[in-house]
Formats: sequence, structure tokens, C-alpha cells
Amino acid sequence: NAGVTQTPKFRILKIGQSMTLQCTQDMNHNYMYWYRQDPGMGLKLIYYSVGAGITDKGEVPNGYNVSRSTTEDFPLRLELAAPSQTSVYFCASGYTYNSPLHFGNGTRLTVT
Amino acid sequence: AQTVTQSQPEMSVQEAETVTLSCTYDTSESDYYLFWYKQPPSRQMILVIRQEAYKQQNATENRFSVNFQKAAKSFSLKISDSQLGDAAMYFCAYRSATNNDMRFGAGTRLTVKP
Repeated sequence: NAGVTQTPKFRILKIGQSMTLQCTQDMNHNYMYWYRQDPGMGLKLIYYSVGAGITDKGEVPNGYNVSRSTTEDFPLRLELAAPSQTSVYFCASGYTYNSPLHFGNGTRLTVT
Repeated sequence: AQTVTQSQPEMSVQEAETVTLSCTYDTSESDYYLFWYKQPPSRQMILVIRQEAYKQQNATENRFSVNFQKAAKSFSLKISDSQLGDAAMYFCAYRSATNNDMRFGAGTRLTVKP
């Protein structure tokens, strides 16, 4: 039982490049989330999903896209990377709306 | 939208002493869930404790307990008998029961002095 797995752990992008952050969970959780954590700050919600085929915007969705074609996977797509997207990205999942979240170990992304 | 405020960017405590971390939130909902998460230097987010808004009794998990004041929209975390391993960033989080998202405060960095 691996929990929530994020790849890659680190990535450096040039301005204007695109990439996909992968997130997969093996706990059969319906709810999945993407957060970003800027240095010394809390977590900001980017997107979330309550089940396969359903996604919703969070606080800071601009510059990102998501899809949820399966229960297990919730990839985050960055189009036209900008320095403001330099951050640590966390994926999380939960079984129900009131369950605690299980977090991945994060992806540190630098855009230069 | 709901907001979560942690007014203490940093706190320190002597080993074996007690410390309280503050959290307030803004909501118009009556049904919601509150959480405290710990983030050590490893960056892993670890659940410390959780409170359901409909429960009047304060949650307790070993050395960790909360003081939940619903009317005041306050949710503080008390750590008793502090240990060196408690040093970390602590985040307060609010989970809506209606719109499915979960919001975090900015965090409090806790230092434990030996």
C-alpha cells in the first residue's frame, strides 16, 4: 500500500515550458486535491476532484489544468510555465468529504 | 469563501512544557470539520488531530488536544509535555461539508528548546 505517490520529486523548467505533475493513489479514495505551498506559506488549493470525471477549481487555478479519468490518477498540467509557479506542489486524497487527507511527499518545481 | 488565520508565525517552547497554537476561521456554515496538520522538515504532511463542528467535546490525541470554540470560530491546539520531535510547521485547516474543498492557514513554526 503506497498511499499517495507524486512524481517527479524535483523539476526545473524554463519559462514557457509545459509539464505534467503526476499523482496516483492506491486507497480507492474519491476525493483528490492539488495544493501549492510557497516558501514560508500555507497551502493554497489549486484544483480538486470528488470522483472520476469531476473536477473543480480551488483558490488559485490560473495557469493550471487537471483531469480525472480514473479514481487513482489526478495529474496536474502546467501550461506556459511562469516564475510565479515556482513552488512545492502537494497532491492529497481522502475517502469521504470529512476524512482526513493523505498527502504525497510533494514536488519541488522551479521555473527560471 | 472560508478563510483560516494563524496569527502566530513562530512559537517556541521548552521541552516538557506546554504550548498552545492559535487558529481562527471565518465561515457562515454550521457543519464543517477542522484539522491540525504537522509538517516536519521532511515536508510530509501529517494529521495531528481532527474536530467535527457538531461535536461539543474537544478532541484529544495523546499529548495533543484542542480548544474548539464554535461561537468564537476558534480552534487552538495544545501540545502537552513537548518533545523535540514536535518541532515542525503546524497548519490549521478547515474542511467544508458542502463545497468539498479544504483550506489551510499560513502555519505556525514551532521550535522546541532542549
